[in-house]
Amino acid sequence: AQSVTQPDIHITVSEGASLELRCNYSYGATPYLFWYVQSPGQGLQLLLKYFSGDTLVQGIKGFEAEFKRSQSSFNLRKPSVHWSDAAEYFCAVGATDFGNEKLTFGTGTRLTIIP
Amino acid sequence: EAQVTQNPRYLITVTGKKLTVTCSQNMNHEYMSWYRQDPGLGLRQIYYSMNVEVTDKGDVPEGYKVSRKEKRNFPLILESPSPNQTSLYFCASSLPPRQGVSTDTQYFGPGTRLTVL
Repeated sequence: AQSVTQPDIHITVSEGASLELRCNYSYGATPYLFWYVQSPGQGLQLLLKYFSGDTLVQGIKGFEAEFKRSQSSFNLRKPSVHWSDAAEYFCAVGATDFGNEKLTFGTGTRLTIIP
Repeated sequence: EAQVTQNPRYLITVTGKKLTVTCSQNMNHEYMSWYRQDPGLGLRQIYYSMNVEVTDKGDVPEGYKVSRKEKRNFPLILESPSPNQTSLYFCASSLPPRQGVSTDTQYFGPGTRLTVL
């Protein structure tokens, strides 16, 4: 069975500072990996996803993530955060058997931005 | 406009009274899923569907049913709701995975907040 761990429940960064959100996964084969963002009271928006190929994945809103198989990680990064990035971020892993979409989410990391 | 719609958006009901939450998408997506979101637990997949008449259990299917008779609709059925099903529910739809596409569109509905007394 697949699983995802987001070790940081809450992170606070200053506006303009760099950001890295950690995600570790467990899955027996090559996973599909995703990052989503959820603003307060809103639904989820897909930031980026990795299926295969280049291990550095570019997403929307200036985010990127790097798949590191040796570390079972898929950390999300942004070089300079904006106040509008304050939200909850979820990492997810998808099963690749038969291309289905069985997704398992982490418990989320809440990002607070201070001026 | 591409969208996933859910109805109702808010529902308060009582234990044991059957209910259905509807989900509809207008993008001709093959994949659809239901999730529940609970504080401290993140999102957990309830059921998913790869196409019409093809459904499978997610991580927390107990107490729920789904059907996929048409491509656009994927209703979630609670035959006998219980208080532990009080949660925020999201429906989602997407195309099948495609290699090399890092931000292919995956759509979530606005959510349905369900309270079971």
